[in-house]
Amino acid sequence: ETGVTQSPTHLIKTRGQQVTLRCSSQSGHNTVSWYQQALGQGPQFIFQYYREEENGRGNFPPRFSGLQFPNYSSELNVNALELDDSALYLCASSLAPGPGETQYFGPGTRLLVL
Amino acid sequence: QKEVEQDPGPLSVPEGAIVSLNCTYSNSAFQYFMWYRQYSRKGPELLMYTYSSGNKEDGRFTAQVDKSSKYISLFIRDSQPSDSATYLCAMTLVDTGRRALTFGSGTRLQVQP
Repeated sequence: ETGVTQSPTHLIKTRGQQVTLRCSSQSGHNTVSWYQQALGQGPQFIFQYYREEENGRGNFPPRFSGLQFPNYSSELNVNALELDDSALYLCASSLAPGPGETQYFGPGTRLLVL
Repeated sequence: QKEVEQDPGPLSVPEGAIVSLNCTYSNSAFQYFMWYRQYSRKGPELLMYTYSSGNKEDGRFTAQVDKSSKYISLFIRDSQPSDSATYLCAMTLVDTGRRALTFGSGTRLQVQP
């Protein structure tokens, strides 16, 4: 069974640019959540996708957007990058969206905005 | 005030010690509680998952939940150098159709050989 994978592993962008991060869910999982983890902090919930629809969003501006594809892989897009967007971006997949389902995390994409 | 408070450490203990990690939370609607372990530059890995108040044991790990005090703990017995990592508590609400985890800021643990 393949775990959650993310690409790229590292990325450097400049302020104002746009970035796309990718995530492949664990086999059989139809729900993907994205988190932002700043250095020395716990992950913060960005949004969740279930069966290609957004299923909840945290306190992040609209320039953070996402997609989920029919194979349940997912993208996180960030427009107009700001210095504070520098962080580890984590993707987590689960069998279903409910609170009783365990979320399995990928290794993350480390984004540096200069 | 953050919804979930966790002492950032670092916590340094000798090999074989019993480690106690703690989180407090303010929202009584949190009902599911988890502990994740995160090694440097890696994603979090689920260690323990509990729902009810009381203790849950898994090998060297014991998770304790006290909902009346809004306090959760993770105990590690016979700690090993390989336990050196950041430990994140996380919790979620029961009444939502989505499972957004709210994390503490993490406690960095170092087990000295």
